[in-house]
Amino acid sequence: QQPVQSPQAVILREGEDAVINCSSSKALYSVHWYRQKHGEAPVFLMILLKGGEQKGHEKISASFNEKKQQSSLYLTASQLSYSGTYFCGTELSYSGGGADGLTFGKGTHLIIQP
Amino acid sequence: DTGVSQDPRHKITKRGQNVTFRCDPISEHNRLYWYRQTLGQGPEFLTYFQNEAQLEKSRLLSNRFSAERPKGSFSTLEIQRTEQGDSAMYLCASSLDGAHQQETQYFGPGTRLLVL
Repeated sequence: QQPVQSPQAVILREGEDAVINCSSSKALYSVHWYRQKHGEAPVFLMILLKGGEQKGHEKISASFNEKKQQSSLYLTASQLSYSGTYFCGTELSYSGGGADGLTFGKGTHLIIQP
Repeated sequence: DTGVSQDPRHKITKRGQNVTFRCDPISEHNRLYWYRQTLGQGPEFLTYFQNEAQLEKSRLLSNRFSAERPKGSFSTLEIQRTEQGDSAMYLCASSLDGAHQQETQYFGPGTRLLVL
């Protein structure tokens, strides 16, 4: 089941904040966040595990709400380099984790303007 | 630079031809994944290897697709009798088996396939 990301696109001015959401209709074991720039490979940002704490580094952080099966990515004081498409990849809880492939959402396009 | 390399980076072929892509994972990583990404979509899982064993295949992987990882290092993905619908970016990712926790998958730059 593909997770649903919202919003589909965001346009911000440099220095503004953004929140990107990722929701699943099934119980999740983990949520992985990636950023992809046009023509490049997805770049790993962070993993959130079931039962884990909110994670973050510098001005990018994320949370995982197990009750809602939703993860949110927070970008604060956005920089031009944050532009790109953000994907969440999910892993279901059915096996308690493991080595299966991730199921990705359709992505959120983030444009940062000077 | 994530350390995963893919070759070729671009491939143009005619419908009906066979193509083969190669992926070299990060050297100590024992898990290797293949994904396909089309325009405006996230990556879609195709298959994965734990060392040389192919442990899971997606229903997206038709019988025209075959993947190998003969020595548990590099992997190849072959598409036989290509169709225009096969046009996509083919991404490879690798990770290290963490035994009790999900490990990060690091992606390569991808091979962009165009079937004419």
